[in-house]
Amino acid sequence: EVQLVESGGGLVQPGGSLRLSCAASGFTLSTYWMHWVRQAPGKGLLWVSRMSPAGSIIYADSVKGRFTISRDSAKNTLYLQMNSLRGEDTAIYYCARAAGNNWFNPWGQGALVTVSS
Amino acid sequence: QSALTQPPSASGSPGQSVTISCTGTSSENNYVSWYQQHPGKAPKIMIYEVSERPSGVPDRISGSKSGSTASLTVSGLQAEDEADYYCSTYAGGNTFFGGGTRLTVL
Repeated sequence: EVQLVESGGGLVQPGGSLRLSCAASGFTLSTYWMHWVRQAPGKGLLWVSRMSPAGSIIYADSVKGRFTISRDSAKNTLYLQMNSLRGEDTAIYYCARAAGNNWFNPWGQGALVTVSS
Repeated sequence: QSALTQPPSASGSPGQSVTISCTGTSSENNYVSWYQQHPGKAPKIMIYEVSERPSGVPDRISGSKSGSTASLTVSGLQAEDEADYYCSTYAGGNTFFGGGTRLTVL
């Protein structure tokens, strides 16, 4: 079964750092475009970042310079390193696999990140 | 920036059909997808490439596009269809989502 499982969420103070993990099973993560998408409480979906199979990376302007996407092929895991966190980064963070022309399936269950003092 | 605009809400009675619009999509590609999200759950793909249904999605769910407006139609409304629906597109290397439409089954 193709599955994504996020971990690493939690409460962090403004200015702090957190690393999210997204463990893939049922497929080889490094052969797919992989994305991070977030959803603030009660709000809509917002795309955060993506990594291509070749390692090409793009970030949304709101996280550029603060967040870093990476992967460990041996562990079949995607990461999102989040630094200089702000209150507006509070959200559920989902990882998702892109299929075909940039449609996402499956999605992970999400990891809640709360930035608060 | 590719802003996608959806109505905040839509509703219909069981058995009826409801259409949700998404304006701002590119008229030059078919990179439009739709996601369903139930409260507390992760989004689920319903439609990709404007009108294609992944396996497991019922055929009463359909998508279309005219110019820069994409649409999702849910026919034969059922209680389980009550959820938030998001359109999405891809442009300039970035992915964009609409603001979401809450579908209420009356």
